[in-house]
Amino acid sequence: KAGVTQTPRYLIKTRGQQVTLSCSPISGHRSVSWYQQTPGQGLQFLFEYFSETQRNKGNFPGRFSGRQFSNSRSEMNVSTLELGDSALYLCASSFLSAGAFSSYNEQFFGPGTRLTVL
Amino acid sequence: AQSVTQLDSHVSVSEGTPVLLRCNYSSSYSPSLFWYVQHPNKGLQLLLKYTSAATLVKGINGFEAEFKKSETSFHLTKPSAHMSDAAEYFCVVSTNTDKLIFGTGTRLQVFP
Repeated sequence: KAGVTQTPRYLIKTRGQQVTLSCSPISGHRSVSWYQQTPGQGLQFLFEYFSETQRNKGNFPGRFSGRQFSNSRSEMNVSTLELGDSALYLCASSFLSAGAFSSYNEQFFGPGTRLTVL
Repeated sequence: AQSVTQLDSHVSVSEGTPVLLRCNYSSSYSPSLFWYVQHPNKGLQLLLKYTSAATLVKGINGFEAEFKKSETSFHLTKPSAHMSDAAEYFCVVSTNTDKLIFGTGTRLQVFP
């Protein structure tokens, strides 16, 4: 079974631009979560989607948004990029039934997209 | 609110010696706790998880962790370190709103 894939793996943007990152979960997984990893703030939860609905959201500004498609693939978008958005963005998928908590099931992480904002 | 504190940012051991990575948690209810490992330029991999079953949890690659409610600890151990264990390790707690909260990480160095 293929793992979680994220594209692109590396991205360089300039301040003020916007960016879209993509995540394909493991086949059969319906929950997708996004995390930001920086040296200063560590790993922080962005949001989680299940069956095309955002179930959970972290403490990030509205410039960070996401969506999930009917095939469970997910995208996250960051608008008006700032230097501080430079980070490794990780996507994780989890198999769970409706109403279950994804944190009780193993979350499988992709390799991440490293975003550099100049 | 839930939180985890990893007590050591760096741990260095010699190959073949025991590993101890310390984690304390704070939770207002019975938590779910995890240890993840991250090798350079790779994603996170689950080592083990505690979800209120046995307090001694065995994971992959010879790692195990013991949930101690009285000490609010969930330390990760391995009897004998291998060079391939060098990586960053994260202690994680789940929240009642189903988010994962990560500790700041412990970088494990293994010397030959």
